[in-house]
Amino acid sequence: EVQLVESGGGLVQPGGSLKLSCAVSGFSVSNNYITWVRQAPGKGPEWVSVIYAGGTTYYADSVKGRFTISTDNSKNTLYLQMNSLRVEDTAVYYCARLNNWNDEDEAFDIWGQGTMVTVSS
Amino acid sequence: ERVMTQSPATLSVSPGERATLSCRASQSVSSNLAWYQQKPGQAPRLLIYGASTRATGIPARFNGSGSGTEFTLTISSLQPEDFAVYYCQQYNNWPPWTFGQGTKVEIK
Repeated sequence: EVQLVESGGGLVQPGGSLKLSCAVSGFSVSNNYITWVRQAPGKGPEWVSVIYAGGTTYYADSVKGRFTISTDNSKNTLYLQMNSLRVEDTAVYYCARLNNWNDEDEAFDIWGQGTMVTVSS
Repeated sequence: ERVMTQSPATLSVSPGERATLSCRASQSVSSNLAWYQQKPGQAPRLLIYGASTRATGIPARFNGSGSGTEFTLTISSLQPEDFAVYYCQQYNNWPPWTFGQGTKVEIK
């Protein structure tokens, strides 16, 4: 069964750090594009970061220099290290597969259930 | 960055009626547009990619159309399970991949 399961969310003070995990089953993180997408309460989704099969990474400007995406292929798991957290980082964080069809179309076709991150003093 | 704008913010529709949702891109995204459905407490679910191709398992009552800057999602006959929030998302110019702010389809 294809499944993504996030963990690691919680309450953290501004300036603090948190590391999210996304355990993947049913496909390999080593040859797929995996992303983090977040959603603040009452808002639309916001793409955060992606890691490509070759290791190339991209980040949203809002998190660049503070967040780091990585994978552990032996554990088939995706991570998001979040440092220097801000109140505006408060959101549900989802991991999602970025699938590609015909080398043209792509979309986030499989999502985890999400993990809540609250940044507050 | 492509800004995606959806309208209306809320759409009140009776079960069995048609719902028409709009999405506009700040600059052309060709046909590189996807639609998602989200129910309370759940992750988004992919409905449409390539502006008009239904994802696996999506019922035929969901239809996407448009190209360039104007897109439409039509739900031909609303079922009780279709009342949700719908988001459009472009993948023509990335990063970033950008989403609209959503249209809530509620029961009239």
